[in-house]
Amino acid sequence: SQQGEEDPQALSIQEGENATMNCSYKTSINNLQWYRQNSGRGLVHLILIRSNEREKHSGRLRVTLDTSKKSSSLLITASRAADTASYFCAPGGSQGNLIFGKGTKLSVKP
Amino acid sequence: DAGVIQSPRHEVTEMGQEVTLRCKPISGHDYLFWYRQTMMRGLELLIYFNNNVPIDDSGMPEDRFSAKMPNASFSTLKIQPSEPRDSAVYFCASSLSPIYEQYFGPGTRLTVT
Repeated sequence: SQQGEEDPQALSIQEGENATMNCSYKTSINNLQWYRQNSGRGLVHLILIRSNEREKHSGRLRVTLDTSKKSSSLLITASRAADTASYFCAPGGSQGNLIFGKGTKLSVKP
Repeated sequence: DAGVIQSPRHEVTEMGQEVTLRCKPISGHDYLFWYRQTMMRGLELLIYFNNNVPIDDSGMPEDRFSAKMPNASFSTLKIQPSEPRDSAVYFCASSLSPIYEQYFGPGTRLTVT
């Protein structure tokens, strides 16, 4: 099992701007996942990128993965107030369970 | 499918009382996870099951905590006796694999006074 570390801890932007969050991890992975948590709710799976992929898109989300640097980034384009939430990365190893970090708290102001 | 179901959604109890949290995973998911979330410690994995068998309980804080999964559609997390420091949001999640997408329930907010 391994934990991802998100950076920054908090991010505040205006509606319409792009938001970028980063994740670092320490050992080899099979995949890396990003989750969102709205206040008072459970985590919701956003996107999974496999270790042999470098970039993946889903709607306004763009995820990159650099296994040589053991890092990933999540880009949310044209942010909306509804994107306000905490975002977590979770590296998936070849065995063991996911370990969630402290997350990045994103605030999108209208 | 209705998703992962947890009950109760809110629980307020006094120190020393027994607390039982319940979870119904998504049908067909072989893995079930119990997490605890607090501001100070973030999201912590307490225990997870595979096919109703506990696989890793190293996150269970102490003997006051116990978890069971009597069948594929039901799990409980019990705290006896409860203490104020157990106050947190407890999440249940299920998945087809421990390293792939997990589906979280809405959580149970526990307050121990």
